[in-house]
Amino acid sequence: NAGVMQNPRHLVRRRGQEARLRCSPMKGHSHVYWYRQLPEEGLKFMVYLQKENIIDESGMPKERFSAEFPKEGPSILRIQQVVRGDSAAYFCASSPGMATQHFGDGTRLSIL
Amino acid sequence: GQQLNQSPQSMFIQEGEDVSMNCTSSSIFNTWLWYKQDPGEGPVLLIALYKAGELTSNGRLTAQFGITRKDSFLNISASIPSDVGIYFCAGQLNTGANSKLTFGKGITLSVRP
Repeated sequence: NAGVMQNPRHLVRRRGQEARLRCSPMKGHSHVYWYRQLPEEGLKFMVYLQKENIIDESGMPKERFSAEFPKEGPSILRIQQVVRGDSAAYFCASSPGMATQHFGDGTRLSIL
Repeated sequence: GQQLNQSPQSMFIQEGEDVSMNCTSSSIFNTWLWYKQDPGEGPVLLIALYKAGELTSNGRLTAQFGITRKDSFLNISASIPSDVGIYFCAGQLNTGANSKLTFGKGITLSVRP
């Protein structure tokens, strides 16, 4: 009965490096969502994926950000050439279909 | 992007008191959800509402889906210290590809023993 697993829990990168955030959905869940949370803010939607497909990426920045959910393995949120403004908590949620989303405990990304 | 309205930003109550939180939107949603977030953790679902006018309870929590589909409230009765946390409302259209959640900024609840 493992929940949504995200790793790493904390990630520190220097400006210009790449950040890779991983999310393993709950067992039986084929829908994955990524959200970003800034301090004292609510979560903001980034991207919605099903296995091997991006369904909605309306919240993704146009540059440097990409996401995938391969047939095997976790979903990956990738941020290239990170900048200070990318510092945030990134949360993944999963659902078995268009049903209730369950969240992981997030990855806290800090940019030096 | 759109964001739901939650205010005030913080609430302070005495243990044992009831508290109500409201959430409003300029557009309609088909599903309303309430989540609680503790420091360093992800949001945990408290209550989900799927029908306009619906009133649902989960222990000491009660939530309602407004009949206009543009608002919802959450009530916590007989508060206890572990109710401390940040309470978020979220709306969802849930139509085809559009199943993203739109969140409010959250209300930080403090409970004085």
